[in-house]
Amino acid sequence: SQQGEEDPQALSIQEGENATMNCSYKTSINNLQWYRQNSGRGLVHLILIRSNEREKHSGRLRVTLDTSKKSSSLLITASRAADTASYFCATDQAPAQKLVFGQGTRLTINP
Amino acid sequence: DAGVIQSPRHEVTEMGQEVTLRCKPISGHDYLFWYRQTMMRGLELLIYFNNNVPIDDSGMPEDRFSAKMPNASFSTLKIQPSEPRDSAVYFCASSFREGRDEQYFGPGTRLTVT
Repeated sequence: SQQGEEDPQALSIQEGENATMNCSYKTSINNLQWYRQNSGRGLVHLILIRSNEREKHSGRLRVTLDTSKKSSSLLITASRAADTASYFCATDQAPAQKLVFGQGTRLTINP
Repeated sequence: DAGVIQSPRHEVTEMGQEVTLRCKPISGHDYLFWYRQTMMRGLELLIYFNNNVPIDDSGMPEDRFSAKMPNASFSTLKIQPSEPRDSAVYFCASSFREGRDEQYFGPGTRLTVT
C-alpha cells in the first residue's frame, strides 16, 4: 500500500517562481526522502530528513517535516527549466530496510 | 564509480518468452533493490537483497518472476513466461549500509512484451 502521497499530482509554474510540493504519510517513520526523476531516467536522491529534524536545506531546496501531521513539503526556490521533472517522496518502513515511494508530483517549469 | 549499471536498456519480446534483466550495484553497497514502474501503479518494490541474501520478496507479482544475486556485484531479475502486462520500466537500486537510507538508482530497463 502507498505510504507517501504527493500533492499536487501536477504543477506548472513560470521560471523564477517557487515550487512547493507536499507529501503525506500514514505510519511512523525514521526518515523521509525526496527524489527527482527526469523523463526516461532513474530516480536521483535529493535530500533526506530524519524524524527528529524539522527543516533541512540543500542549495535551492528546502524540506520541512511535521511528524505530528505526518507531512512533509519540498520547496524549490527560483525555479529553472532544468527543474522540470517528477518529484517523489519516500518513507522508510522500519524495522524493514526498505522505502515506499509515493506517486509523485510532475513539475513543469515554463520559460 | 560508474553508478548502478543495468542491461539491457530496452527489451522488446513476445509473450511467452523468457526475459532476463541484469544489474550491477555500486561496489561496497550492501543492499540491492528491484523496482517496477508503471503509469498505473507507480514505483513498486519487487524484492530486495542484503549481502546477496533475499530479504523481502513480497512484492514479486507471481511465480513467473524470480530474482537472484549470486555475488555482491551482480543480480538478475527473470520473467518466465513473459506477458504483456509485464511491460514496464524496471529499476535496480543499491544502498550502502542501511536499506532505508539514500538509494542509488540505475537508468532502468524499459521492457515491452507484445
